[in-house]
Amino acid sequence: RKEVEQDPGPFNVPEGATVAFNCTYSNSASQSFFWYRQDCRKEPKLLMSVYSSGNEDGRFTAQLNRASQYISLLIRDSKLSDSATYLCVVNERNFNKFYFGSGTKLNVKP
Amino acid sequence: ETGVTQTPRHLVMGMTNKKSLKCEQHLGHNAMYWYKQSAKKPLELMFVYNFKEQTENNSVPSRFSPECPNSSHLFLHLHTLQPEDSALYLCASSQGVEVGETQYFGPGTRLLVL
Repeated sequence: RKEVEQDPGPFNVPEGATVAFNCTYSNSASQSFFWYRQDCRKEPKLLMSVYSSGNEDGRFTAQLNRASQYISLLIRDSKLSDSATYLCVVNERNFNKFYFGSGTKLNVKP
Repeated sequence: ETGVTQTPRHLVMGMTNKKSLKCEQHLGHNAMYWYKQSAKKPLELMFVYNFKEQTENNSVPSRFSPECPNSSHLFLHLHTLQPEDSALYLCASSQGVEVGETQYFGPGTRLLVL
């Protein structure tokens, strides 16, 4: 069973659309959660951490549901520059060991 | 952005060659990581170093040999690799290894084994 599972997509959306991704994780003891963004042939870059109470950064909102063991990312008013692969990352308890999902690909079309 | 640099950016090698990948971080971090990213697969953690000491070896074959001479530099020595080792090798660093510390990635070395 995979530690972290994501829908690979691609999600093809027009500019200005709202799009949401979910990610499920298997280890109920996981403590920290992140969304990273990876552009084609580039390295992953931190998009945002995910806090228990949910958090927002501009057009991006992240939510955590511990009971159902999933995290979500909502992107409002999509821009062409949002086109990338979004990686869900879960951190084990007691150690900074990252488990990555395979990523969800987003294509924002004009 | 030059927080974490990696060289070379691209590498083609035969199965009998020996080569090394280099990673350098300029962030003052104490922990460094090697990850492997194969096509259509999630990033896989290979090794973790904290204050130059290896704290994690994720069942990586011995043909991959890491070296961490100091907290700013990390090497991955490669020998007698297989074609299935072709992948993007990413280095990352973080301030420490406490849960929740953000990891910052280098641009990666794209490796092709012929």
